[in-house]
Amino acid sequence: GQQLNQSPQSMFIQEGEDVSMNCTSSSIFNTWLWYKQEPGEGPVLLIALYKAGELTSNGRLTAQFGITRKDSFLNISASIPSDVGIYFCAGQETSGSRLTFGEGTQLTVNP
Amino acid sequence: DAMVIQNPRYQVTQFGKPVTLSCSQTLNHNVMYWYQQKSSQAPKLLFHYYDKDFNNEADTPDNFQSRRPNTSFCFLDIRSPGLGDAAMYLCATSRAYQPQHFGDGTRLSIL
Repeated sequence: GQQLNQSPQSMFIQEGEDVSMNCTSSSIFNTWLWYKQEPGEGPVLLIALYKAGELTSNGRLTAQFGITRKDSFLNISASIPSDVGIYFCAGQETSGSRLTFGEGTQLTVNP
Repeated sequence: DAMVIQNPRYQVTQFGKPVTLSCSQTLNHNVMYWYQQKSSQAPKLLFHYYDKDFNNEADTPDNFQSRRPNTSFCFLDIRSPGLGDAAMYLCATSRAYQPQHFGDGTRLSIL
């Protein structure tokens, strides 16, 4: 089956620093999604990417859909303590609605 | 204004005692999904409904069943919970081929 490799697995940064995480796949996806999950809550959709090469921003977050459709990155600028959580990338297949999730990046921001 | 609502948020049951988790949505999405998530792992799809059509993942145990009586509601039934079924159960909804929106989950504990 399809697999997504997400890195890094965890990050420990100081408040104010920029963060970058990425996902790669051996397969092509039609859509790339980035979710954030905080403890005890469900994943919340941050950014959705629909076109190869697309670069999309949502406040301090920026994500790009790779040209090959097999990768995506998420950048967070000027991190703040409330950015803490697990960030998941997810690829959506061309054939339907099913998602393939990356393993997640656990982000810790020290004030 | 929660759009995907899961009840209860916390559920404790005894080993082998059937349990039902519920999900409702106000988004009028035609696709509903149930995921199992264990600690710090990515969500794992159990099954999904495309309208009334039920789609079971190949590796979902027979112990897990689902019902969708109407567009707004979907239930997860665990017939004989084992200790390994302790997890967070997430419901999600989407329109076909659109990003999924998650509820806050039900954390299931097995005594």
